[in-house]
Amino acid sequence: DAGVTQSPTHLIKTRGQQVTLRCSPKSGHDTVSWYQQALGQGPQFIFQYYEEEERQRGNFPDRFSGHQFPNYSSELNVNALLLGDSALYLCASSLGFPERVYGYTFGSGTRLTVV
Amino acid sequence: LAKTTQPISMDSYEGQEVNITCSHNNIATNDYITWYQQFPSQGPRFIIQGYKTKVTNEVASLFIPADRKSSTLSLPRVSLSDTAVYYCLVGDPLGGGSQGNLIFGKGTKLSVKP
Repeated sequence: DAGVTQSPTHLIKTRGQQVTLRCSPKSGHDTVSWYQQALGQGPQFIFQYYEEEERQRGNFPDRFSGHQFPNYSSELNVNALLLGDSALYLCASSLGFPERVYGYTFGSGTRLTVV
Repeated sequence: LAKTTQPISMDSYEGQEVNITCSHNNIATNDYITWYQQFPSQGPRFIIQGYKTKVTNEVASLFIPADRKSSTLSLPRVSLSDTAVYYCLVGDPLGGGSQGNLIFGKGTKLSVKP
């Protein structure tokens, strides 16, 4: 049973560019959340998708956007990249929304470096 | 949203028992306590969850006093491979925080030495 799969594993981009990160949730899960983790910090919640809609959003600018597809996979898009966007981007999948959220499973993340 | 406070770092030696305490003075009645483990360049991994008293699984034990204002993660006989960051989270059952998302603090960096 595959867990959460993220691609690519590493990425280097230039300031001002745009990037798309991808996530396939664990089999049976229907909810996808994205987190940003800067070096030495805990993961910070970006947003959560369920039924192809953004349901929750953390304190991140509109440059961060996402999408969820009918097969529950998801994309995270970041526009106009800044040096401060360099981080490990984590995808977590779970089952159920909003009353009960069962068993978060995290992927290994995408390491984004902005130069 | 209940805030958690943990030590920033802890050191231990192989074979010792490690106890990491988390304070959560404002925990709500419906909140559970969940601990995650994270290795460098990997996503967090669920370790254990509890509501009150004591919970034990094959990896760790979780001790929660009656007032639930704190909790202690106990790792028996640690090995070098237990070196990681450990996060204490308080929120909805089975990992969900306020409004259905997980709220992480900075965690406790555990270093196990030979």
